[in-house]
Amino acid sequence: DGGITQSPKYLFRKEGQNVTLSCEQNLNHDAMYWYRQDPGQGLRLIYYSQIVNDFQKGDIAEGYSVSREKKESFPLTVTSAQKNPTAFYLCASSPSEYHWDEQFFGPGTRLTVL
Amino acid sequence: ILNVEQSPQSLHVQEGDSTNFTCSFPSSNFYALHWYRWETAKSPEALFVMTLNGDEKKKGRISATLNTKEGYSYLYIKGSQPEDSATYLCAGTGGFKTIFGAGTRLFVKA
Repeated sequence: DGGITQSPKYLFRKEGQNVTLSCEQNLNHDAMYWYRQDPGQGLRLIYYSQIVNDFQKGDIAEGYSVSREKKESFPLTVTSAQKNPTAFYLCASSPSEYHWDEQFFGPGTRLTVL
Repeated sequence: ILNVEQSPQSLHVQEGDSTNFTCSFPSSNFYALHWYRWETAKSPEALFVMTLNGDEKKKGRISATLNTKEGYSYLYIKGSQPEDSATYLCAGTGGFKTIFGAGTRLFVKA
């Protein structure tokens, strides 16, 4: 079964802690994306990667970091520098590096900071 | 593309009603318009991608149109069914960026 998996589904973090959200795809897609959703807002782009070992900041990258060491994996670390990390996080991939390509989404991770 | 607006924010209809909602985007520097359906507890799924002015796409009872000159797209659902209940997202791509709207939340009552 091809698709995108994200883990965990729910995550609780204490203030001041870093936490890493997992995103894996077995679709052999080149590009991967991380989005954040807050109530009443559209998905906002945190980081994206069009190719292995390369990634670019999105609109709200401050307080986040990523890596793309393997084509199928694009983990997101929410650092203690992120002032308001409680949100729903979605990972996506697309077949090519072109931004107009259709995106395929994972089921998301809901992060709550206690 | 700086901002993508969707209206209405939510919509309640009866089973069998036809409905439509709007996605507005800046017409300058436009390349593509995407519609996604996002059911509760599931992942967003692509419905359509459109690039040309006047494009019309159809999938079953759902169709979409695109006007790039005036910067809008309509999504139509004919004969709504309870299983159509979902959030419908549109996303505009231009200038190497894709911007998502906040979505229209559709509730279809049996």
